[in-house]
Amino acid sequence: GQQLNQSPQSMFIQEGEDVSMNCTSSSIFNTWLWYKQDPGEGPVLLIALYKAGELTSNGRLTAQFGITRKDSFLNISASIPSDVGIYFCAGPLTGNQFYFGTGTSLTVIP
Amino acid sequence: KAGVTQTPRYLIKTRGQQVTLSCSPISGHRSVSWYQQTPGQGLQFLFEYFSETQRNKGNFPGRFSGRQFSNSRSEMNVSTLELGDSALYLCASSSLTWNNEQFFGPGTRLTVL
Repeated sequence: GQQLNQSPQSMFIQEGEDVSMNCTSSSIFNTWLWYKQDPGEGPVLLIALYKAGELTSNGRLTAQFGITRKDSFLNISASIPSDVGIYFCAGPLTGNQFYFGTGTSLTVIP
Repeated sequence: KAGVTQTPRYLIKTRGQQVTLSCSPISGHRSVSWYQQTPGQGLQFLFEYFSETQRNKGNFPGRFSGRQFSNSRSEMNVSTLELGDSALYLCASSSLTWNNEQFFGPGTRLTVL
């Protein structure tokens, strides 16, 4: 089946540091979505990307749609404790059927 | 605008029983998708409903079924529960008017004993 590989799998960083994570696919996507999930809650949509090469920001978050349309990147600047959680990338392969990445677990040390 | 709501939030069942989960999408959203999330398999797509019709289906056995009502509310049913069905079941809605961004509910935590 379709695989979206996210890396790194987990990160432990100091408060104030910048964070980078990426997602790669074996297939071409026309949309990339980035979500954050807190324990026991549903994923919350952070950023949506629709065009190859697109760079979109949402506060301290910046995401890019890779030129090959097979990858995407998420950066968090000046991390704070509430950034803790699991970050997922997602893309639709057919219709509205989304595939999700394996997730990147972020821990921010105050 | 109210978000996606799911009921119940927590459920405990025993093997062999069946369960029905409910999802109310964001007002105006006509597409509802269901996902199963487990530590081992991650987030996996179950099915998607749009205008009361199932449009896409993931790779799950026939014990997993769903439906959508005319008001876009959706239910999913799991029959003959197995221990491996223990998971967080998430519902997501989309407007599909100009993009397919999906917005998730808080999920239903199902535990099968």
